[in-house]
Amino acid sequence: EVQLLESGGGLVQPGGSLRLSCAASGFTFSSYAMSWVRQAPGKGLEWVSANSGSGGSTYYADSVKGRFTISRDNSKSTLYLQMNSLRAEDTAVYYCAKGQGTTVIYYMDVWGKGTTVTVSS
Amino acid sequence: SYELTQPPSVSVSPGQTASITCSGDKLGDKYACWYQQKPGQSPVLVIYQDTKRPSGIPERFSGSNSGNTATLTISGTQAMDEADYYCQAWDSSTVAFGGGTKLTVL
Repeated sequence: EVQLLESGGGLVQPGGSLRLSCAASGFTFSSYAMSWVRQAPGKGLEWVSANSGSGGSTYYADSVKGRFTISRDNSKSTLYLQMNSLRAEDTAVYYCAKGQGTTVIYYMDVWGKGTTVTVSS
Repeated sequence: SYELTQPPSVSVSPGQTASITCSGDKLGDKYACWYQQKPGQSPVLVIYQDTKRPSGIPERFSGSNSGNTATLTISGTQAMDEADYYCQAWDSSTVAFGGGTKLTVL
């Protein structure tokens, strides 16, 4: 069974840092692009970042560019999101999602259950 | 950044057909997909590559994409279809989501 399990969320002060992880199983991780998508309380889905199966190509939303870094360890089938300089508006449930191909994400066919990040003093 | 526009809400009576639109510049030249999200749950892919249904998605869900508009159609809408629906496309190395449409079945 294909599964994605996020972890690493929590409460952090403004300006602080947090690293999210997404453990994948049930598919050949290195063959698929992966993405982070967030959802603020009561709001819609917002794409955050993605990277290619090799990790060699990375993509970011303007709202997080320069503050967040996506990476992956294909030997551990794990996706990461390093979040620095966190702001109150980064408060959201963060989902990990599997893309349909190696380099681009026309659609995301598997989603994790999400991990909650709260930025507050 | 690429913008996708959806109506905030759509209402439909049980058994009728619901249509949810998603508009974007030359969207018909890209692949559109649709996700369903119920309260407290993760999104679920219901349509991909404009018209295709993933395994396990009922046949009453269908999609189209032409010109500047993609459309999700739910035929014979059931109470269990009440949810938020999001369109998504890939453009210029970024993922774009629509703002979401709340489908109410009443």
